[in-house]
Amino acid sequence: DAGITQSPRHKVTETGTPVTLRCHQTENHRYMYWYRQDPGHGLRLIHYSYGVKDTDKGEVSDGYSVSRSKTEDFLLTLESATSSQTSVYFCAISEYSSVGGETQYFGPGTRLLVL
Amino acid sequence: GENVGLHLPTLSVQEGDNSIINCAYSNSASDYFIWYKQESGKGPQFIIDIRSNMDKRQGQRVTVLLNKTVKHLSLQIAATQPGDSAVYFCAEKTTNFGNEKLTFGTGTRLTIIP
Repeated sequence: DAGITQSPRHKVTETGTPVTLRCHQTENHRYMYWYRQDPGHGLRLIHYSYGVKDTDKGEVSDGYSVSRSKTEDFLLTLESATSSQTSVYFCAISEYSSVGGETQYFGPGTRLLVL
Repeated sequence: GENVGLHLPTLSVQEGDNSIINCAYSNSASDYFIWYKQESGKGPQFIIDIRSNMDKRQGQRVTVLLNKTVKHLSLQIAATQPGDSAVYFCAEKTTNFGNEKLTFGTGTRLTIIP
């Protein structure tokens, strides 16, 4: 599991409330990613980080912000949750594989329901 | 734009038989491909990967084939077991001007029939 944990694993919240999801890794990986997974779509990148305090946007970043103050933690915040942000959120790290490609390993996910 | 994952959404296979899951891609610049397995309620699990300078790669009971001529990727699972029931999806990596991007397919649901 590449030493990745996510918390909470499940959350129900109301529209307009802030929500923060946490990703924690124990293996000192430099790159960390947040994805969302929705029916009919492949995993879509929200934000990623390439080091402490270094982050960048992905393809679906609107309505989300991230922070990385420590190597091991990558936080995803929904400033004001909307129903369209109901999804399953996955954190990932990247690591070079035996063939030299930079693959990604995923955490267990957080199921978020916005009512 | 890129189109990853033109494959059947569901596949049922008898236990013990071999299964083949297909994936098509349209970006000829893609240089690295990954297969993932995702069980219900869990995160995607890395199965096997292949680089564009390879045609075939084998793992434990799995083989990935890459046909760059027709931009096609397949995952073969030998002697399927009940635990192989899951959604399988491919991902391709493209590098443009130093920016790398992974594009994920939507997946194929594999069901193993006892």
